[in-house]
Amino acid sequence: QLQESGPGLVKPSETLSLTCTVSGGSISSSSYYWGWIRQPPGKGLEWIGTMSYSGTNYKNVSLKSRVTISVHTSKMQFSLQLTSVTAADTAVYYCARTVEYSMSRSDFEIWGQGMMVTVSS
Amino acid sequence: QSALTQPASVSGSPGQSITISCTGTSSDVGNYNFVSWYQQHPGKAPKLLIYDVNNRPSGVSHRFSGSKSGNTASLTISVLQAEDEADYYCSSNTLDVFGTGTKVTVL
Repeated sequence: QLQESGPGLVKPSETLSLTCTVSGGSISSSSYYWGWIRQPPGKGLEWIGTMSYSGTNYKNVSLKSRVTISVHTSKMQFSLQLTSVTAADTAVYYCARTVEYSMSRSDFEIWGQGMMVTVSS
Repeated sequence: QSALTQPASVSGSPGQSITISCTGTSSDVGNYNFVSWYQQHPGKAPKLLIYDVNNRPSGVSHRFSGSKSGNTASLTISVLQAEDEADYYCSSNTLDVFGTGTKVTVL
């Protein structure tokens, strides 16, 4: 139901741009939150940010200045932009959707398959 | 943001029960009932097992249960099966972080 897409290779200092396409449901439903999570090779999960149906963003403090999450309702997509990337941003990037009527905004029930993004010149 | 602390590894034999802890502080785990647990097999996306401390999404086995005491949340896996061998992560929305992760080994 969720599918990430975008470049698998990004050069240092450039902007990483990923899109998550939603199928089988409405991205404009007020019942859910939509989020981005990443996982560097061999390491744990790191929350990047979460977006409400109205576009309100909640971001990881450590990434906040570099992260933009946007919704494109007509295309049933939401996107992630991460600026000024370095090798430390190399990771598998997941998009995800919370449970219905989530209270916490962090209970991600539906996940994309993940997309490996490498930052290298 | 401080990560939630989990044991690096936990092991058990088939049929046994194991418990994974997730320790936060009185500002997060101890003060809110917003703890989630995820299971991740190698090369796969995480799977939500528990949310809001002890709620199971539809389709998740009743062998998985969650609880909380003070600043520590716990995930219990009963009747351990070979397929339960995976990495497990907790999360708390108050920190918007994931735990350090626990590798479960079925002996």
